[in-house]
This record gives sequence, C-alpha cells and structure tokens, in this order.
Amino acid sequence: DGGITQSPKYLFRKEGQNVTLSCEQNLNHDAMYWYRQDPGQGLRLIYYSQIVNDFQKGDIAEGYSVSREKKESFPLTVTSAQKNPTAFYLCASSIGYPPYEQYFGPGTRLTVT
Amino acid sequence: AQKVTQAQTEISVVEKEDVTLDCVYETRDTTYYLFWYKQPPSGELVFLIRRNSFDEQNEISGRYSWNFQKSTSSFNFTITASQVVDSAVYFCALSENAGGTSYGKLTFGQGTILTVHP
Repeated sequence: DGGITQSPKYLFRKEGQNVTLSCEQNLNHDAMYWYRQDPGQGLRLIYYSQIVNDFQKGDIAEGYSVSREKKESFPLTVTSAQKNPTAFYLCASSIGYPPYEQYFGPGTRLTVT
Repeated sequence: AQKVTQAQTEISVVEKEDVTLDCVYETRDTTYYLFWYKQPPSGELVFLIRRNSFDEQNEISGRYSWNFQKSTSSFNFTITASQVVDSAVYFCALSENAGGTSYGKLTFGQGTILTVHP
C-alpha cells in the first residue's frame, strides 16, 4: 500500500539532545513537508522540499534542520537550539505544482524533558 | 500574507443533527486553492476536498457538502445527519498558486473540534 511512514509514534528525549524524526513515502511524490502542531493549534510549516537536494524554510524553521538526499525520504532533526521542541510533528507529501492535496503520515509525538 | 480563520473553536451536536463548520480566508492572489482536512483522535490528517478559486460550484459527497463563496471569502463545510464517527478536529487550509519557492505551501486555520454525541 502506498503511503507515508513516520517513526517512531512516540519519542522521548532529554533537553540538550538532538533528535531525528524519520519520514518515508512510497507515493512517488516530488514535494515533502514537515509541520508542527501544538495543543489546540493549527499546523505550522517547518520546512518543505520540492525536489531532491533542495529544501526551503517554512514559517518556524529556527532550531530545525532537514535533508532530502532521496526522493522518498525527508528526515527532520530537532536540534538543542529549538526552545520548545515538545510537540506533535507531521510529515506530508504531494505531487507538487500546482498545489495539490497533501497526504499526511501518522505523526510523531516528541516529548523533551 | 494569506490567512485562514476558523472562528468556531468547538462545536457539540447530537447525532443526526446537521452541522456547519465555517472557514474564512484572506489572500491577495486571484488563483488559489482551498482544502479541508479531518484529524481524528489518531492524529493523522485525512484529506477531504480541494477546490480552486475558479470553481465556485458547491460540492456534495455523501453526507458532506461544501459551500464556496468568493464574494465573502468563505469555504464552509456542512455535515448532514452527523454521526459519532464524525467526531474529530477539522481544518481548513489555503494554498496560493505562487510558483518558485512557495508552491504547495499550506496555511492552516486553527481547527474546529467537532464532538458528536450519541
């Protein structure tokens, strides 16, 4: 079945540690996205990538980094510079231009203490 | 800058009632796309509908219907004869048709929590 995989579902880290969230898609989509969701709020865009080896900052990129070495993979690293990293992280992909619907993974809930 | 407002934070209805979720958007573009997503308790967003700014026809899909009115910048979503399984958070989102570095970028509203009681 085609879809988006995010692992793990729940992740716990100590403050000061970097952590990488994985996102894999087998939909053959060109574009991939990372969003952050905080309780009671909508989704905010962290980073997005239109093609391999290219990505752009979203609205809240500070404290995060990404890579896009393969079309199907778009990992997100939450660095120690991110002041409030505890959140629900969602990865998405889409065909691309013009704006088509994005398909989302199940999300990773990150807790940093 | 584009903006999406979902003024209803929470709505509570009894099963079989009809319910309308409001969405108002702001954009300077003449070409744009509107979306609705459903987020059940599991957390994964489920795509419901995509509509471009040139298509103002209302759409019906089973118990779901959407009313797009450019004159009021609204894209409202109605669930007819609601069911308990409709309980979820519903998001309205907007994407401008800008090329270059911003295509496909979605701006989400804050979401409306819908609870359908048996």
